[in-house]
Parts: sequence; structure tokens; C-alpha cells
Amino acid sequence: EAGVAQSPRYKIIEKRQSVAFWCNPISGHATLYWYQQILGQGPKLLIQFQNNGVVDDSQLPKDRFSAERLKGVDSTLKIQPAKLEDSAVYLCASSLWGASGANVLTFGAGSRLTVL
Amino acid sequence: AQSVSQHNHHVILSEAASLELGCNYSYGGTVNLFWYVQYPGQHLQLLLKYFSGDPLVKGIKGFEAEFIKSKFSFNLRKPSVQWSDTAEYFCAVGGGADGLTFGKGTHLIIQP
Repeated sequence: EAGVAQSPRYKIIEKRQSVAFWCNPISGHATLYWYQQILGQGPKLLIQFQNNGVVDDSQLPKDRFSAERLKGVDSTLKIQPAKLEDSAVYLCASSLWGASGANVLTFGAGSRLTVL
Repeated sequence: AQSVSQHNHHVILSEAASLELGCNYSYGGTVNLFWYVQYPGQHLQLLLKYFSGDPLVKGIKGFEAEFIKSKFSFNLRKPSVQWSDTAEYFCAVGGGADGLTFGKGTHLIIQP
């Protein structure tokens, strides 16, 4: 099966600029996650979608980060305006909904953001 | 709040040595436990998981992990490592359909 697709793979911007990342999950996976992984740290959950509804966005810095999942498939994560500390890899993951598949996340390759 | 602690941030071993990476967690409720691995230049992939049943779980590439409920631990083991096991290893915890909470990772280097 095709994996989780993300783009762009790399992005360099200056602080205060905006950036958007795109994710296409595995076909049939109802749950989609965005994680932030800062160098030397583990991934941190930013937001979780179930179909096109938000399940958990408690760690999303809502003053500058936003995410949407239209039609319950693709998702976009936006940062506006970016800060230096936003430099990180942004990982998208998806999973099946239901006891047998819930929690088993499949990750994309990630989008590496550098803010200068 | 849930949390994961990985004891070793950097581990260097020689080929054929035995491996044990420590992981302790804090989670209120029924817990699902995972080890993910990230090989150089590759994306995160599932190594093994524990949902219920036998506390000793086996994963890919000869890895296994043991869930010890009384110690809130889920340590990863491999009896004989190979150079190709060089990677970053992440322990993670979650429940139900929650997103996972990851530890900071252990960077494992295997010397030939």
C-alpha cells in the first residue's frame, strides 16, 4: 500500500514569514496526526483529526499554528508567522479507526523546516 | 498527564553485543506501548507494540520488549546487535485511539 505522503520535504524561510505543509494519509485511515520533532527530541503531538473533526489540539500553539483536514482525507498545517523556535521536522501520521488499528501510527517522511 | 522516559540518550555497542534500552512511562488508564525506529535517512517505523496479553512481545529484526506493569516499564532488547541496527529508537505510550506520547529517543551506534 502507498505510504503517508508529505510535501515539501524541505523548506527554508525567514522569521515572520508563513509556511504550509501538506499531508495525504494512507487510504482508508480515518485518523490523522501532525507531530513536531525538534532536533534531539522525540515527536510531540500537535493535533489529531478523526475524519475531518479535531480530536485533540491541546498542544497546538493556536496563535500561530493552524491545521485543517477537508473532506476527511488530505490535511494542511500552516504556521504564520514563523519563529526561530519553529525550526523542526513536521511529521504527519495516520492510523485506522477502531480497536484493531487505533494507535498504530504510520508516519510520513516529514517536512523539515528551517527558520532563519 | 502521560509521559515517557528513556534512560539512555546515546548508546554505543560493538556488533554481536546484547542490547537493552530502558523505557518507563506514566499513563492513567489502559496503556498501549510501542517502540518505533528511525534508520538514517528514513522515516519512523513501527518496531513492535504491546496492547494486551503476553507481556513479552516480539517485533521485526529480532527485537523484543517486555511489559512490566509493576515497574511501568517497557524495555527493548536484542540478544545480538548488527551494524544495521544503528538508528534512533523511540518508546511511545498511548491509550485507545489517543495520539502517542514519545520519549526523547536513544541514538544507538553499532561499531563493526
